Amino acid sequence: DTEVTQTPKHLVMGMTNKKSLKCEQHMGHRAMYWYKQKAKKPPELMFVYSYEKLSINESVPSRFSPECPNSSLLNLHLHALQPEDSALYLCASSQDPGTTYETQYFGPGTRLLVL
Amino acid sequence: GNSVTQMEGPVTLSEEAFLTINCTYTATGYPSLFWYVQYPGEGLQLLLKATKADDKGSNKGFEATYRKETTSFHLEKGSVQVSDSAVYFCARSSNTGKLIFGQGTTLQVKP
Repeated sequence: DTEVTQTPKHLVMGMTNKKSLKCEQHMGHRAMYWYKQKAKKPPELMFVYSYEKLSINESVPSRFSPECPNSSLLNLHLHALQPEDSALYLCASSQDPGTTYETQYFGPGTRLLVL
Repeated sequence: GNSVTQMEGPVTLSEEAFLTINCTYTATGYPSLFWYVQYPGEGLQLLLKATKADDKGSNKGFEATYRKETTSFHLEKGSVQVSDSAVYFCARSSNTGKLIFGQGTTLQVKP
């Protein structure tokens, strides 16, 4: 089983709203990732959690706040977003953060529209 | 440099045609190489991978061989179907755990 699940599938929010994206995996993976993908572009890495600790923040604005409550769950809290933040947000996981050849498995994504 | 370069699309083929999507990479060391596929409105799915030189990854009729001498990982399929229409991303691993993606190649297969 290589399934990563994400909720919600679609989200529309105003610039003053607070919302959260959720990601879950039950593969025992110890690294989890958030990516942002604009139309017709490759995914851009936002955050990496390694053994439930934030290990990489790719200079993401503070209006995006990640959280890893346990080894299976990853959240992305959104607050005061801008219309240009509208995109597909993808979660991924991989087994062992310490290796350089790990395969990342992606979820289906949350399509976010900021009005 | 550290990059992945894919042939530009869109690539338009008729059903049952032969497919090649070129991918070359630059890296220090020997990264793992991946092809991901993204169907319309969906997330990325791992299509195939190779972790060392001369390895061949294969899945669903697609193949790619890790060529160290030419730093390439070209994707091939002998007979494409309409259902193969998607965006294909070549990617390589890095020593930070970050995936380095190519720009993606859109494949359109017409009946």
